[in-house]
Amino acid sequence: GENVEQHPSTLSVQEGDSAVIKCTYSDSASNYFPWYKQELGKRPQLIIDIRSNVGEKKDQRIAVTLNKTAKHFSLHITETQPEDSAVYFCAASGGGATNKLIFGTGTLLAVQP
Amino acid sequence: DAGVIQSPRHEVTEMGQEVTLRCKPISGHDYLFWYRQTMMRGLELLIYFNNNVPIDDSGMPEDRFSAKMPNASFSTLKIQPSEPRDSAVYFCASSFSDRATGYTFGSGTRLTVV
Repeated sequence: GENVEQHPSTLSVQEGDSAVIKCTYSDSASNYFPWYKQELGKRPQLIIDIRSNVGEKKDQRIAVTLNKTAKHFSLHITETQPEDSAVYFCAASGGGATNKLIFGTGTLLAVQP
Repeated sequence: DAGVIQSPRHEVTEMGQEVTLRCKPISGHDYLFWYRQTMMRGLELLIYFNNNVPIDDSGMPEDRFSAKMPNASFSTLKIQPSEPRDSAVYFCASSFSDRATGYTFGSGTRLTVV
C-alpha cells in the first residue's frame, strides 16, 4: 500500500523567511496530494492540494510542487508570519479509484517573531 | 452546513469500559473516514465507508474496535473493552466520491482511558 514520508519533523524559521516541507510517496498510481494545517487542539484543515496532471500550484503565500518521476512533492510558504505556526501534514491518495488518503507524520513549523 | 460533527469532544473512561464515538458527516458526502491521531503514529486511517458500506478496515487495530454506518448521516466507532493505549484523538472526516478530493475533518474526540 501507499507510504508517505515527510521531512523535516520540526522546522523553525524567522518571521518573513520562507519554509519548505518535503514529502515522498511510494505508490506511482497516487494522483492527489493535499496539504493540511493543524493548529494546536484543532482539526486538520485543507490549505492547498495538487493533482498529478499539474506540476505546481500557488495560492497567495503558499505553493505546492509535484515531481511525479521522483515521487515527491513539497509545500513552500513565503513571507512566513507567526500565525503560520502549526503542524503541517502532507497526504497522498491511495491510487486508483480510492478516496483513501495516507498522511505523512507531520512537520511542526514554528515562526519566530 | 455545520460541517462534520463529532461527539463527545472529550471522553474519559476506565480501562475495560465500552466507549462509543459518534460522527455525522456533511450532507451529501458519501465517503466517511475514521482516523486516530497520536504523537507516536500521527494520523492513522482506521476504516472508511462508501455509501454506508465499509470498504477498507485494514487499519482497525484489533477486534476490540468496530465501526458501523447504519445510514448516510451517522457513524459510530466502538471500542470494547477499552485499554490505556487506546488514548488518542479520534477524527472523523467525510468527502465526495467522484475522485480523490480533500476531506473535511470533524473537531475530533479526545479519548483518555485510565
